[in-house]
Amino acid sequence: DAGITQSPRHKVTETGTPVTLRCHQTENHRYMYWYRQDPGHGLRLIHYSYGVKDTDKGEVSDGYSVSRSKTEDFLLTLESATSSQTSVYFCAISRGGTDTQYFGPGTRLTVL
Amino acid sequence: GQQLNQSPQSMFIQEGEDVSMNCTSSSIFNTWLWYKQEPGEGPVLLIALYKAGELTSNGRLTAQFGITRKDSFLNISASIPSDVGIYFCAGLFSSNTGKLIFGQGTTLQVKP
Repeated sequence: DAGITQSPRHKVTETGTPVTLRCHQTENHRYMYWYRQDPGHGLRLIHYSYGVKDTDKGEVSDGYSVSRSKTEDFLLTLESATSSQTSVYFCAISRGGTDTQYFGPGTRLTVL
Repeated sequence: GQQLNQSPQSMFIQEGEDVSMNCTSSSIFNTWLWYKQEPGEGPVLLIALYKAGELTSNGRLTAQFGITRKDSFLNISASIPSDVGIYFCAGLFSSNTGKLIFGQGTTLQVKP
């Protein structure tokens, strides 16, 4: 298994609270991604990073921000969580833009 | 946003049967990928396809990159109970960003 961990694995929070999810990798891969998975939608890209401090938006980036201050960590922040952000969040990594993406185990987030 | 149409949405088959699923898009992709996801885990790459017309096998799995570059299919031969899971196709547009577009998934159930 690729060395990817996500924390927390489960979180329940209330509407309006800030939430930060962490993705940590031990593979020294350049690219990191955040996806959300919802029934009927497959996985949708939220944000991605192509290097330290280099990030860009995906197709569902509204309400989310990311930061990458070092190669191994990619943080996803919900500044003010809403119920529509209840989902399972997956982090992925890849060596380069054309290389295989390896996925973490996921974080199940519930916003009440 | 961009979408992949994956079908069927679900399948319930008898052990030993062959399975076929496919993905179509209105857009051209440079790479087609097939992932499998088991409950509580992240997707795992099964097969990657890089050239139009390419036919690639991985054990009992066979996948093809359509000639038009707008479709792909996955076949599983002689299904077994451990094939149970959700199968996703994914297309890669840009070689610079690694942005993947996922299909909605095919849920496979195998009856022993």
